[in-house]
Amino acid sequence: QVQLKQSGPGLVQPSQSLSITCTVSGFSLTSYGVHWVRQSPGKGLEWLGVIWSGGSTDYNAAFISRLSISKDNSKSQVFFKMNSLQANDTAIYYCARNTMMNYFDYWGQGTTLTVSS
Amino acid sequence: EIVLTQSPTTMAASPGEKITITCSASSSISSNYLHWYQQKPGFSPKLLIYRTSNLASGVPARFSGSGSGTSYSLTIGTMEAEDVATYYCQQGSSIPRTFGGGTKLEIK
Repeated sequence: QVQLKQSGPGLVQPSQSLSITCTVSGFSLTSYGVHWVRQSPGKGLEWLGVIWSGGSTDYNAAFISRLSISKDNSKSQVFFKMNSLQANDTAIYYCARNTMMNYFDYWGQGTTLTVSS
Repeated sequence: EIVLTQSPTTMAASPGEKITITCSASSSISSNYLHWYQQKPGFSPKLLIYRTSNLASGVPARFSGSGSGTSYSLTIGTMEAEDVATYYCQQGSSIPRTFGGGTKLEIK
């Protein structure tokens, strides 16, 4: 069955970077795009970016200078990296699978990030 | 950027009550690209309705969606305790993808 499993640190110091790996199963990254979405404490959902099946990317303009998404199709892994973290980047970060009509049908379990010294 | 505005932001309903949540878009969206999610506390969002009115797998028939252009809605025909959650609309029409601010549904 389709699964997206996330791994990454829970605590990062200010100005440092965040790296999360989303390992997928049950589908191929050559056929589906993967998005990244975050949710700040008590807040709604914020779209961060996407890596498409062909490997191109799109980013939320607010994060384009410090966000990078890449993947390894052979390992079924998508890599999320955000630099220069501040306290307001504290959030739950999700990866999610894209579908043809651009909705997210499967989500990872979420990575809870706290930015604090 | 397409801004999605949901209303109400919070609401409480009695069991058996009919619920309607609205999602208003700042620009017209094809109905093929408006979707709804349900998020329960401590869990990832779950796809509820896709392409305005299509129920995701396993979603009870008391849920329905409708709309076109800039105005969309999610309806729960009869409120049940398990429907307590926050509901989000999302547009897949353009980049950046955007979500509504969410509607928190509680039970009376």
